[in-house]
Amino acid sequence: NAGVTQTPKFRVLKTGQSMTLLCAQDMNHEYMYWYRQDPGMGLRLIHYSVGEGTTAKGEVPDGYNVSRLKKQNFLLGLESAAPSQTSVYFCASSFLTSDTQYFGPGTRLTVL
Amino acid sequence: AQSVAQPEDQVNVAEGNPLTVKCTYSVSGNPYLFWYVQYPNRGLQFLLKYITGDNLVKGSYGFEAEFNKSQTSFHLKKPSALVSDSALYFCAVRGEGSSASKIIFGSGTRLSIRP
Repeated sequence: NAGVTQTPKFRVLKTGQSMTLLCAQDMNHEYMYWYRQDPGMGLRLIHYSVGEGTTAKGEVPDGYNVSRLKKQNFLLGLESAAPSQTSVYFCASSFLTSDTQYFGPGTRLTVL
Repeated sequence: AQSVAQPEDQVNVAEGNPLTVKCTYSVSGNPYLFWYVQYPNRGLQFLLKYITGDNLVKGSYGFEAEFNKSQTSFHLKKPSALVSDSALYFCAVRGEGSSASKIIFGSGTRLSIRP
């Protein structure tokens, strides 16, 4: 039981490049979330999903897209990276919204 | 709109002393409240939650939190701090209505325990 895994762990992009972050969970959770963590700002919700095939916008969705084609995977895409997207990205999942969220180890992204 | 506030960026405590990390919330209905801890270069880990029932909630690593409805607070406490408790702590509240699928996190409090 691996819990929540994220790929890659680190990445450096140049402005304008694109990339996809992969989140996978093996707990059969319905809800999945993408957050970004910046110093002094806590965690901010980017996008989330309440089930396979569904996605919704969070607090800071601009510049990001997501897809949940399979229940266990939640992909976060950056179409044209900007320096403002330099951050640590965390994926999380839960069975219900009143339940514990399980977090992945994070992806540290730097955009030059 | 629902929100959560952690008024202290940093809390410093001597090992063996009691610790308190403060959290206040704002929701219109009954709150679902959480505490998470983050160790360096790691994801967040669940500590405890309050949904209903006893106002004193016990969680992992000897932590507990007291729900106070009149003061809209959910402070995290531990009777005797350990150096290994040093970490970043987040309070969170579940959203309401159309935001009920979301968890809203505070800005975090860095807890530093000195030997």
